[in-house]
Amino acid sequence: DIQMTQSPSSLSASVGDRVTITCRASQSISKSLNWYQQKPGRAPRLLIYAASFLQSGVPSRFSGSGSGTEFTLTIDSLRPEDFATYCCQQSYSSPLTFGGGATVEIK
Amino acid sequence: QVQLVQSGAEVKKPGASVKVSCKVSGYSLNELSIHWVRQAPGKGIEWMGGFDPEDVETIYAQKLQGRVTMTEDTSTDTAYMELSSLRSEDTAVYYCATLSRDRVGGTLFDYWGQGTLVTVSS
Repeated sequence: DIQMTQSPSSLSASVGDRVTITCRASQSISKSLNWYQQKPGRAPRLLIYAASFLQSGVPSRFSGSGSGTEFTLTIDSLRPEDFATYCCQQSYSSPLTFGGGATVEIK
Repeated sequence: QVQLVQSGAEVKKPGASVKVSCKVSGYSLNELSIHWVRQAPGKGIEWMGGFDPEDVETIYAQKLQGRVTMTEDTSTDTAYMELSSLRSEDTAVYYCATLSRDRVGGTLFDYWGQGTLVTVSS
């Protein structure tokens, strides 16, 4: 199975900050990487697919990059509604696997 | 627009079984690939299995093989996930989600149910 490791597991930031979260795969997954946002008590919401494509309806302050084994999710100019947990998921091979999540908290 | 509505929370004793439903609206179930994932309290998301339209079969996570069964009733557009021989480690929120192809040939989970909390406790 492909292991997905995220860092940091949590971070504190202020409204207006730029935030970067990293996701590393245990083997190369090309660009088969999706990012989700999850708020407490809610289902995950797709933000980015295929490493860098913005899902319809997602604000442009979210962006993704990377390929192979290292990927990043960047949130430019953090807004209050962005405080949440973000997780990555590889779609390269079965079983589909997720990272452990990175929680963005208010500083 | 696809909507997935799941059945309500369950409390089960160790060794029992649970069956969670996922009612689809906006599309017919046979146009979708429904998968199930779960999330234990404070933990990451774990994929459990789902329908593979390329091989036209349901595939399961190896660690759950023999305990999980996913079925579909196309007459009611409802998908089901049954997990047997429950243990405390199965306590989690269970989600159904649609697995779709993206425009560059990969897959993604685009629509999600609201989640069903299953608590396993004696």
